[in-house]
Amino acid sequence: EPEVTQTPSHQVTQMGQEVILRCVPISNHLYFYWYRQILGQKVEFLVSFYNNEISEKSEIFDDQFSVERPDGSNFTLKIRSTKLEDSAMYFCASGQDGFYEQYFGPGTRLTVT
Amino acid sequence: AQRVTQPEKLLSVFKGAPVELKCNYSYSGSPELFWYVQYSRQRLQLLLRHISRESIKGFTADLNKGETSFHLKKPFAQEEDSAMYYCALNTGFQKLVFGTGTRLLVSP
Repeated sequence: EPEVTQTPSHQVTQMGQEVILRCVPISNHLYFYWYRQILGQKVEFLVSFYNNEISEKSEIFDDQFSVERPDGSNFTLKIRSTKLEDSAMYFCASGQDGFYEQYFGPGTRLTVT
Repeated sequence: AQRVTQPEKLLSVFKGAPVELKCNYSYSGSPELFWYVQYSRQRLQLLLRHISRESIKGFTADLNKGETSFHLKKPFAQEEDSAMYYCALNTGFQKLVFGTGTRLLVSP
């Protein structure tokens, strides 16, 4: 059964550095998402992406964040200048349509020191 | 505002006991509700969606619009049901709103 994959599984970076989190969605899916979960808190929506553009974003997704689908298979989340509070588990998800099931990746744990 | 409330952080039961994981939502439109499960060291995976009205692994959930609830139930818990359970709301704007999750612990 196809799955969403994410790399790396764990990323450690220093405050102020740029990070890129990578995801490979399921191949026939059209909708792509990023969520994050700060330790001990709930899973929060960051951004949705469809037809090569952002379709919705949360207030968390400020100018420090960007997403890209550079080559038709990867879906990336870039954080330009990381802060300590960006430390979290970041989940990528994809879906065939925008309304029903979203399939989640295993997550990337980002630690900002 | 769209909100999902799961009042219990932890629910601990013995094997064979009934289980009910509570979920209440706040949304003025017509909601689509889901239960996601996360077993230890595994990814979030869909357990149930209200629209399909199915039973998966013995779990069922009924949408009660009057009470704005979507509680997850299983008549006889098994040890392998131990996991984190998240209730989620899709308002049709391409995002899921999650509750804080309930950890279910089933003891032998």
